[in-house]
Amino acid sequence: DAGITQSPRHKVTETGTPVTLRCHQTENHRYMYWYRQDPGHGLRLIHYSYGVKDTDKGEVSDGYSVSRSKTEDFLLTLESATSSQTSVYFCAIRERTEDPRYGYTFGSGTRLTVV
Amino acid sequence: GDSVTQMEGPVTLSEEAFLTINCTYTATGYPSLFWYVQYPGEGLQLLLKATKADDKGSNKGFEATYRKETTSFHLEKGSVQVSDSAVYFCALIPHGRGSTLGRLYFGRGTQLTVWP
Repeated sequence: DAGITQSPRHKVTETGTPVTLRCHQTENHRYMYWYRQDPGHGLRLIHYSYGVKDTDKGEVSDGYSVSRSKTEDFLLTLESATSSQTSVYFCAIRERTEDPRYGYTFGSGTRLTVV
Repeated sequence: GDSVTQMEGPVTLSEEAFLTINCTYTATGYPSLFWYVQYPGEGLQLLLKATKADDKGSNKGFEATYRKETTSFHLEKGSVQVSDSAVYFCALIPHGRGSTLGRLYFGRGTQLTVWP
C-alpha cells in the first residue's frame, strides 16, 4: 500500500470561495498527480509535480493551482470555485519514478460539490 | 498524440457470462498498457498491466493481451460475478523520448453491471 490519504473526502462549498484539497503520501515518492473524474470524460490530468516546488500543468488546469512545499504533501487549490468544478478529485503517485512499466496508485478521492 | 479509446458502456451481463471490453490506443513508440478498476465509491485500483508486445496481463480471472499489430488491449473474463460490477478504465504510459514524465492517459471508462 502506497499510503495515500486525501482530505477532505467530501466537501460542499459556495461559488466564488477558495477551496484547498490535500493529498498526503507516506513513502517519499517523487511524482504526484491531481486528476478530476467526470461522467463521459474519464479522468483528466489537472496538475502534476515531479519534486518539491516543481509542478506543471495538465490538460485541464484553468482555475486550479497547486503547491508542493514538502515531498509528502501535494495541495490542489480552486482559487474561486465554480459549478463546473463540481467533480471527484483523485490524487495519484508513481511508485517507480521514470519507469513507464509501473502504473500509478490512487487515493480514495474527494467529492467536491460547488453550489 | 497519445490516446486511449475504449468501448462505451454501460455493459450489462448475467452472472457467469463472458466479458469483453475493447480498448485501442494511439501512442508514439511502444507504451505500457494498463487496466484499472473502480468499485462504487472507491478510488482506482490497478487490475493488470502489460509492458511490451504480446505480453498478457492477468489478475482475478481477468486477462488482456498487448497486441501491437492491432494497437489493442482488450479486457476479457470467462465468467463474470456480481462482485465484478465496477467501472473499468484502459490506460497507457508512453515510452521513450517525448513522453511527458510518465503521464498516464485514460480511456473514458466502461461501466459493467453483472446481475445474479
